[in-house]
Amino acid sequence: TQLLEQSPQFLSIQEGENLTVYCNSSSVFSSLQWYRQEPGEGPVLLVTVVTGGEVKKLKRLTFQFGDARKDSSLHITAAQPGDTGLYLCAGVFTGTASKLTFGTGTRLQVTL
Amino acid sequence: GAVVSQHPSRVICKSGTSVKIECRSLDFQATTMFWYRQFPKQSLMLMATSNEGSKATYEQGVEKDKFLINHASLTLSTLTVTSAHPEDSSFYICSAAWLGSGAYEQYFGPGTRLTVT
Repeated sequence: TQLLEQSPQFLSIQEGENLTVYCNSSSVFSSLQWYRQEPGEGPVLLVTVVTGGEVKKLKRLTFQFGDARKDSSLHITAAQPGDTGLYLCAGVFTGTASKLTFGTGTRLQVTL
Repeated sequence: GAVVSQHPSRVICKSGTSVKIECRSLDFQATTMFWYRQFPKQSLMLMATSNEGSKATYEQGVEKDKFLINHASLTLSTLTVTSAHPEDSSFYICSAAWLGSGAYEQYFGPGTRLTVT
């Protein structure tokens, strides 16, 4: 069974702080995606990473794909209350076409 | 681009009845769609992979006779919960696969909240 571990599970921080969320597996991903989900809504795609060592930036969010394509991280700089939500990493393991395996999720709360 | 709609957004039904949920890709064709179930404060659990023109592939532990999936066109997949029971109450979300950025990406619908009384 291919597992995808995400940490931390919960994070409560104040506005302006930085944070990092980690996503790890023992298997190799052909690609990995990060989503954000708000209560009662579907997940929204933030980024897709494909190449080992790749770094992508989306405003205050920085996504990194591990060199071996087994792990990824999401770093948020100067968090704002609007960043509050459930962050999900999801990977396509090599040989599984477009099927995603989701991480356990990180619930982020940013307070004033 | 890559917009997926889902209908209905909320449904309440009585135990023993069937409920159909529609998932549409609005601005692209999707040969593959996925159906997920999400329990409160948990991540998404894949139920099945829906392939246009062929039978769906169900994940282990998901009853195919209870959760009927039809993918009749490249823009529409339906999930029918048959003989619903209170334990089927959940948040159901569909997604459609799109080849972009050098890899398949999934775009999600807004979800359907099913309550079985």
